[in-house]
Amino acid sequence: EAQVTQNPRYLITVTGKKLTVTCSQNMNHEYMSWYRQDPGLGLRQIYYSMNVEVTDKGDVPEGYKVSRKEKRNFPLILESPSPNQTSLYFCASSLAGEAFFGQGTRLTVV
Amino acid sequence: GQQVMQIPQYQHVQEGEDFTTYCNSSTTLSNIQWYKQRPGGHPVFLIQLVKSGEVKKQKRLTFQFGEAKKNSSLHITATQTTDVGTYFCAGPSSYSGYALNFGKGTSLLVTP
Repeated sequence: EAQVTQNPRYLITVTGKKLTVTCSQNMNHEYMSWYRQDPGLGLRQIYYSMNVEVTDKGDVPEGYKVSRKEKRNFPLILESPSPNQTSLYFCASSLAGEAFFGQGTRLTVV
Repeated sequence: GQQVMQIPQYQHVQEGEDFTTYCNSSTTLSNIQWYKQRPGGHPVFLIQLVKSGEVKKQKRLTFQFGEAKKNSSLHITATQTTDVGTYFCAGPSSYSGYALNFGKGTSLLVTP
């Protein structure tokens, strides 16, 4: 089954404690991206990757890092999380056109 | 930069009424996509429109792409409770053809 898998689905952490949200897709898509979703603000792109070892900033990259060492994986790294990064995060992949989204990760930073 | 504006932000209808959400871009779009997100779920692709003036139908849903390729609409005829959710339009970003610029979405509530 074609899918994008994110882990964890829910995470509560403390300010400053590094965390990684994993994302994996089994569709051999070249393009992957991360979004955050906040009430009233819709989906905002954090980072995207056109292919292995090719990543670039989206609209709201501050406080986040990504890596793309393999085609299937695109982890999102928060080196020092802060409360304003409390949000719902989605990973997505696409080949051309239609984007497939993961189930989402609800992150709370206290 | 390019912006995709979507209205209304919220819409509450009685089951059986029609619903329309509108999407406007500040620049001409090569294509526009529509997604639906159920409460507690993730966005799911509905359709992509590419041609100027294009109209596509999926059962009770009608999608239109404007002649100037700067606006689009989604119309639902005779809403059902299963239509509840947030509908997003998305256009290609100006900095990458693969990156998507999402509108803020229209949240639809349907009461029986």
